[in-house]
Amino acid sequence: LAKTTQPISMDSYEGQEVNITCSHNNIATNDYITWYQQFPSQGPRFIIQGYKTKVTNEVASLFIPADRKSSTLSLPRVSLSDTAVYYCLVGARMDSSYKLIFGSGTRLLVRP
Amino acid sequence: ETGVTQSPTHLIKTRGQQVTLRCSSQSGHNTVSWYQQALGQGPQFIFQYYREEENGRGNFPPRFSGLQFPNYSSELNVNALELDDSALYLCASSSARDYEQYFGPGTRLTVT
Repeated sequence: LAKTTQPISMDSYEGQEVNITCSHNNIATNDYITWYQQFPSQGPRFIIQGYKTKVTNEVASLFIPADRKSSTLSLPRVSLSDTAVYYCLVGARMDSSYKLIFGSGTRLLVRP
Repeated sequence: ETGVTQSPTHLIKTRGQQVTLRCSSQSGHNTVSWYQQALGQGPQFIFQYYREEENGRGNFPPRFSGLQFPNYSSELNVNALELDDSALYLCASSSARDYEQYFGPGTRLTVT
């Protein structure tokens, strides 16, 4: 059974770098790894997407090792407004069917 | 602004009834995915439609069904509602099955 695992919660302080890791052991060969941010009562919001190695955009970096069985989202200098739940999302092929699997989510609390 | 809209915003139904939720995808997107998010949990993949055909399905019973129309908008139908169907239903559109997905605000379904 495909499983996508993340830490349940993390605490940080303003200005610090935060790294959140997701384990995804059954990722489909050609699929991307995507990370989302979600605030209460809102739909998830796209942060970053990658296939392998490292991807960087204006808000985050994504590190993916060669075996692609995990990924790490890096938020360089967090602020209070980054307090949210963060999810990884991967595609997996199970029982001859394609499925999109969200991680269990990491609740990030940023303190002043 | 993502451009993905969902209707209705909130809905209250009685156990055993049927419900139809609607999603309008972002312009240029031909893929729509539906998710169920129970309170305090991560989104669970229901199914995905690509160019009007089901492209993948999660572990949901057949009473969860869907449609995608030629304009790429989509419907989620749930028959014989159960109390456990109470959740936030999210729709997301993308330009391919695992590319960056844009989420709508969701429909909050309450089954009593």
